[in-house]
Amino acid sequence: NAGVTQTPKFQVLKTGQSMTLQCAQDMNHEYMSWYRQDPGMGLRLIHYSVGAGITDQGEVPNGYNVSRSTTEDFPLRLLSAAPSQTSVYFCASSYSISGAYEQYFGPGTRLTVT
Amino acid sequence: AQTVTQSQPEMSVQEAETVTLSCTYDTSESDYYLFWYKQPPSRQMILVIRQEAYKQQNATENRFSVNFQKAAKSFSLKISDSQLGDAAMYFCAYRSYSGGGADGLTFGKGTHLIIQP
Repeated sequence: NAGVTQTPKFQVLKTGQSMTLQCAQDMNHEYMSWYRQDPGMGLRLIHYSVGAGITDQGEVPNGYNVSRSTTEDFPLRLLSAAPSQTSVYFCASSYSISGAYEQYFGPGTRLTVT
Repeated sequence: AQTVTQSQPEMSVQEAETVTLSCTYDTSESDYYLFWYKQPPSRQMILVIRQEAYKQQNATENRFSVNFQKAAKSFSLKISDSQLGDAAMYFCAYRSYSGGGADGLTFGKGTHLIIQP
């Protein structure tokens, strides 16, 4: 199993550009989520999905869109990038949203918006 | 909303010694889960240890153990026989039980652990 994969690993955008961060998992996990990590901060939840076709907002959803058309994929879209979205983005998945199920994290995408 | 506080931005320990990282949290819930994650320079988030709040026994994983004090809302991580490979950022995280934990993990700001050879 590849686990949770994210592409790209690094990206530089200009203000106003749009892009999609890709996330895929091959563990048949129900639950997937996106976090951002800023310097000196822990990870903060952006959006999450409890299954195909179901998504919801986390703590910091503004400026981001998500969709979940398959169990495996959970892309994160930036519609109009802003410098405040410069961050490291992590995708995670787990068997269930409940319990002590371990969240498996992808390797992260470092995004810089100039 | 829950909050997680790690009051030590940085800790340093000699190789082979023991170090304890502190974590406190604030919640009104009685059932929840607590985690310690390690993030080395590679950026990968690695689960170190987990604790279910309903369990009184402290979790242990090899050289890693926790001191879970539910009444004090404290969840410290002890690393015994520190090794150079333990150098990393360590994050304490909380996951709600009620509502299925749909709001994901709430993280502290992290403690940077330095291992002195």
